[in-house]
Amino acid sequence: DIQMTQSPSSVSASVGDRVTITCRASQGITSWLAWYQQKPGKAPKLLIYGASTLQSGVPSRFSGSGYGTDFTLTISSLQPEDFATYYCQQADSFPFTFGQGTKLEIK
Amino acid sequence: EVQLVESGGGLVQPGGSLKLSCVASGFTFSGSAMHWVRQASGKGLEWVGRIGSEANSYATAYAASMKGRFTISRDDSKNTAYLQLNSLKTEDTAVYYCTRLLNIPISRFDPWGQGTLVTVSS
Repeated sequence: DIQMTQSPSSVSASVGDRVTITCRASQGITSWLAWYQQKPGKAPKLLIYGASTLQSGVPSRFSGSGYGTDFTLTISSLQPEDFATYYCQQADSFPFTFGQGTKLEIK
Repeated sequence: EVQLVESGGGLVQPGGSLKLSCVASGFTFSGSAMHWVRQASGKGLEWVGRIGSEANSYATAYAASMKGRFTISRDDSKNTAYLQLNSLKTEDTAVYYCTRLLNIPISRFDPWGQGTLVTVSS
């Protein structure tokens, strides 16, 4: 199975800050990577797929990059509604594994 | 509106069984691969398994830890996917989500249902 490792596990930031979350795959997955946002008690929500394609309706302050094994999710200017947990997920091969999550908290 | 609604969760004893349902609306269910993902309280997301469309011969695949105990099926006439949970263990306690896999141009899960809670306890 492909292992997905996110860092950091948690991060504290303020409204207006720029935040970057990293995801590393245990083997190359080309661009088969998605990012999801999950708020407490809610289902995950798709943010980015294909490593860098923004899902329709997602604010442009979210962006993704990377290829192969190393990927990043960047939020350019944090808004209050962005405080949540973020997961990366590889869609290269079954089982479709997720990273352990990064909890973004208010400083 | 594209929507998935799960149901069927509840409290079950270890060794028991439960069948979850996922009703789809707002899209062509019969042409979609459907997946199940679970999340234990305070933990991350864990892929459970999938069922393909008729075009893919309704092919199924499961996570290794669930293979042989869980079965995914579907009824396209009812726009519904199912997850049969057998021989349940306390560690199967989780919220179970169904989600659609979109493949074009690249794979991703969207949308997700609201989830249904399965609690395995004596």
